[in-house]
Amino acid sequence: AQSVTQLDSHVSVSEGTPVLLRCNYSSSYSPSLFWYVQHPNKGLQLLLKYTSAATLVKGINGFEAEFKKSETSFHLTKPSAHMSDAAEYFCVVSETGGYNKLIFGAGTRLAVHP
Amino acid sequence: EPEVTQTPSHQVTQMGQEVILRCVPISNHLYFYWYRQILGQKVEFLVSFYNNEISEKSEIFDDQFSVERPDGSNFTLKIRSTKLEDSAMYFCASSDPTLGGETQYFGPGTRLLVL
Repeated sequence: AQSVTQLDSHVSVSEGTPVLLRCNYSSSYSPSLFWYVQHPNKGLQLLLKYTSAATLVKGINGFEAEFKKSETSFHLTKPSAHMSDAAEYFCVVSETGGYNKLIFGAGTRLAVHP
Repeated sequence: EPEVTQTPSHQVTQMGQEVILRCVPISNHLYFYWYRQILGQKVEFLVSFYNNEISEKSEIFDDQFSVERPDGSNFTLKIRSTKLEDSAMYFCASSDPTLGGETQYFGPGTRLLVL
């Protein structure tokens, strides 16, 4: 069975400082991993995805994530937070290949302070 | 940029009533999905749909739920007799088989409130 654990329910950073949102996954198969972002009263927007190519994945808005199989982790980082990054972030896993269901983590709410 | 759209954005209904949530997936996508997010809880998979039939469904997707692609553009979720616990945000998603179907693009959601 697949599962995702987001290690922090809330993260608070100052504008201009680095962001780290932690995610561990469990999968019996070779997984695809995603980060989605949800701004208040908006839908789910794809930030980036890993699907068995390069382990360091770059996404939109300066975010990136590194797939570490040995640690079963897929942490999301950004060098410098912006006020507009304040949102809820979801780490998501699915089986690689095809139209498989997505398994969501519980989400991490990121607050960015001036 | 093409996007998934959903209507209505908000729906309030009485317990026991039928509701139909509508989605227009991205036009060249062939895989379709419904998810829901109860307030304060995780986003949960409900059902996937391909080639005019259900590919997979979760335990949540019982006989009260059904999906349909009534024409070439719409994808609907019907709840036959709503319960209080059906109150949630419902998200539709679609994916492109030519790109492996792995990336699912989500609509903005329909917030359903059952009274």
